[in-house]
Amino acid sequence: DAGVTQSPTHLIKTRGQQVTLRCSPKSGHDTVSWYQQALGQGPQFIFQYYEEEERQRGNFPDRFSGHQFPNYSSELNVNALLLGDSALYLCASSTGTAMFYGYTFGSGTRLTVV
Amino acid sequence: EDKVVQSPLSLVVHEGDTVTLNCSYEVTNFRSLLWYKQEKKAPTFLFMLTSSGIEKKSGRLSSILDKKELFSILNITATQTGDSAVYLCAVTGGYQKVTFGTGTKLQVIP
Repeated sequence: DAGVTQSPTHLIKTRGQQVTLRCSPKSGHDTVSWYQQALGQGPQFIFQYYEEEERQRGNFPDRFSGHQFPNYSSELNVNALLLGDSALYLCASSTGTAMFYGYTFGSGTRLTVV
Repeated sequence: EDKVVQSPLSLVVHEGDTVTLNCSYEVTNFRSLLWYKQEKKAPTFLFMLTSSGIEKKSGRLSSILDKKELFSILNITATQTGDSAVYLCAVTGGYQKVTFGTGTKLQVIP
């Protein structure tokens, strides 16, 4: 039973660059949510994708964008990287229509902006 | 805006102690409260609570929800060094939006 897969695991980028993070949800899940977790903080909700559309969004600027593909996998794109974007980015999957039993999280992508 | 506050922020105990972690919340359209354990990267699911007063139990861990007072507690009895982790509390509102607290960092020393 494949869990949530995220890639890459680690990434170092320079300020101003753009980055794309990828996520494959758990088998049977159709909803993908993205979170940013800064050191010592709880995960902060970025956005959620269901049926290839952004269903809701947290308080993040437009530099953060995403996409969901027909196979339910998802990408998170961040443009014009800032030092403050350095964090662990977590992908969480769930079922969109059935009873919500909580997320299954991936192991995350550690992004360092220098 | 949905809000989750956890206390204490950090805790150091000795093996065998019992700990109680607290979580208070404000959320519109409350659906459930979740507890997760985060050791290195991926948070792992512990409990989901939807009804007041019904204790959920798994081994040495237990949790209960008070929907009137808007809080939950997570108890860990007979703590072990393997319990050292950050414990995250989260609440679910509409459309499965999950709002997390900052977490409680628990360190269990031998």
